[in-house]
Amino acid sequence: GAVVSQHPSWVICKSGTSVKIECRSLDFQATTMFWYRQFPKQSLMLMATSNEGSKATYEQGVEKDKFLINHASLTLSTLTVTSAHPEDSSFYICSFIAGDGTDTQYFGPGTRLTVL
Amino acid sequence: QKEVEQNSGPLSVPEGAIASLNCTYSDRGSQSFFWYRQYSGKSPELIMSIYSNGDKEDGRFTAQLNKASQYVSLLIRDSQPSDSATYLCAVNKAAGNKLTFGGGTRVLVKP
Repeated sequence: GAVVSQHPSWVICKSGTSVKIECRSLDFQATTMFWYRQFPKQSLMLMATSNEGSKATYEQGVEKDKFLINHASLTLSTLTVTSAHPEDSSFYICSFIAGDGTDTQYFGPGTRLTVL
Repeated sequence: QKEVEQNSGPLSVPEGAIASLNCTYSDRGSQSFFWYRQYSGKSPELIMSIYSNGDKEDGRFTAQLNKASQYVSLLIRDSQPSDSATYLCAVNKAAGNKLTFGGGTRVLVKP
C-alpha cells in the first residue's frame, strides 16, 4: 500500500499557541487529501477535504479560520491549529487518495495533540 | 439512522475461530466499500476494499458485499490475538469522494 508520513507524531502545547502538522505522501502523488480528527473511543470525523492548488472544503461545524489547511503540492499538506485550546486536544490523521486509479484512502500515522 | 452502522462490540472470539463483522449503510448509491483495522492509539490501516457484489478473499480475510441489502461484512478466519483491534467499515458514495465511517467494532481474540 501507499506510504504516508505525518510529523510530529505527538505534540504538547500551551493554550493559545498554534501548532502545524505536516502530512506527506512518500511514494505517490495525490491531488486529493483529507484531514480527520478522532476523540478517544470515537470513530474518525472528517474535518476537511483539500485539493492541490485550491481551497479546502470544510465539514459542517469545523472552523476554517481555526484549522488552516494548505495543500502545497501533490505530496504535502499541512494542518495548522491556530490558538489551540484544551478542547482541541485530539488525534489528527491525514489521508491521501492513492492515485492508483482507485479511490482507496491511505492514512498517515496520526498526530496526537495535547493542549494544556 | 446513521449512514454507516456497526455493532460496537466487543466481539469476543477464541483463537483459531472465525470472527464475523457486519456493517450496514443507508445510501443506496454507495459505490466503494472498505474495511480498516485500527489498533489502540494508531491510525487506521487498510485491510480490504470491495466494489462488486459477492465475496473477495485476501489471506485470512474475506469481505462480502450485498448492495441489494445494503450490507457489507468481514470474516476473519483462524483469528489470532494480534487481530484484536477495532475494525472500521467505510463507505464511499463516488470515486474521489469522502469516506463515511461506521463507529467500529472492537474485536477481542482470546488465546
